[in-house]
Formats: sequence, C-alpha cells, structure tokens
Amino acid sequence: SQTIHQWPATLVQPVGSPLSLECTVEGTSNPNLYWYRQAAGRGLQLLFYSIGIDQISSEVPQNLSASRPQDRQFILSSKKLLLSDSGFYLCAWRRLPWANEKLFFGSGTQLSVL
Amino acid sequence: GENVEQHPSTLSVQEGDSAVIKCTYSDSASNYFPWYKQELGKRPQLIIDIRSNVGEKKDQRIAVTLNKTAKHFSLHITETQPEDSAVYFCAASIMSGGGADGLTFGKGTHLIIQP
Repeated sequence: SQTIHQWPATLVQPVGSPLSLECTVEGTSNPNLYWYRQAAGRGLQLLFYSIGIDQISSEVPQNLSASRPQDRQFILSSKKLLLSDSGFYLCAWRRLPWANEKLFFGSGTQLSVL
Repeated sequence: GENVEQHPSTLSVQEGDSAVIKCTYSDSASNYFPWYKQELGKRPQLIIDIRSNVGEKKDQRIAVTLNKTAKHFSLHITETQPEDSAVYFCAASIMSGGGADGLTFGKGTHLIIQP
C-alpha cells in the first residue's frame, strides 16, 4: 500500500531563517506531488505541484520554492522566512495514471514564524 | 482558473439531525468533486467523491449530489453524530491527461454537532 511521510510535524522558526520541509511517498512510482498551505481557519491553497523529477509548477508568487530531486521526494524551502509564512503545510500525492483522481495528504507541518 | 465557493462557513446542528453543505464552482470543464473531512490539527481525509457523469452518490450516512447545469454540488450527512464534528472541504478539478492539476478547494465549513 502507499504511504506518505511528511516532517517535521511542528516547527518554530524566527523571521529571516531558512526553511526545509520534506515529504516522501512510498509504494508508488511517478506520483504527482503537491504542496498546500492552510492558514488558520482558512481553506487549502495550492502552492506547488510536480509531475516528475525537477518538474515544478508554482501556483502563486511567494517567498517559497519547491524541489523534487527524486521521484518520490518533494521539498518545500525558503531562504528567509516571513511572518506571513506561518501556517499548516500539507504535502499530498496523486497516483498516475490520471484516471485515479484521489488526492492523499501527509500529516502536515505546523509552521510558526516568530 | 477554477473558483470554488462553499457555504456556510459554520454549521451547527443537533445530534441526529441532518447537515447540508453546499458548493459552487466556476469552470464548467471541472469533472471531479471530492469532499474532505479535517479534524483539528490533522490531515484532510477523503470521505466521498463524485464524477460529473453521476448525479448522486451515497455511502452510508453521507451523500453527495451534483448539478452540472447549475454548477453546484452538495454534501448531505444524515443522523449526525458527535464524531461528525470537523471542518469539511469541497473541491473541484479537471481530470486532464497530464493529471497535473491540483484540486481547487472551498474555504471549508466548520460543522458542529450539538449534543
């Protein structure tokens, strides 16, 4: 069966510090991978998606970047965090072929920028 | 791009009563509509989904209806129980060949089941 791992679960970082959140998927190959952000009490905003290694698309302009160095690894990064980067970050995957549209989420990272 | 509106933002019902959450979408090409349930501090989990070739789908106490003409879909929960309390998100996407499209989510509905 497929599983998705995301870490860390909680992170407190000062403004201006770097960020690296990691997500890996097991039990499948060539998944579509996604990063979503959820601000407190708000909906899920798609930040990045990837259909393959080194293939990243950004949905919104922001202070963050994403990379996919391996097929089942997706990394969310920032060189300098802003207060507005605080939120609940969720990695997600969807299996190819594209006929299966179900999206599965990781357990999330609660990021607090102080 | 797709825009999904979800109402209400908060819904409080008595235990045992029914709850209905409604969503509208803007892109007529959208053809996949999942619903997610998110408990406090946890990941959203898929509870039911519907594709545009179906008007209604039911799974025990949960049902979803889709009106393609009006571009709206709804989640129905009958005989609500305390464990139904959570935030519910609707979403829409286009099932494309590349499969790259992420889901567009509504802003969520906080469902509160009163004992």
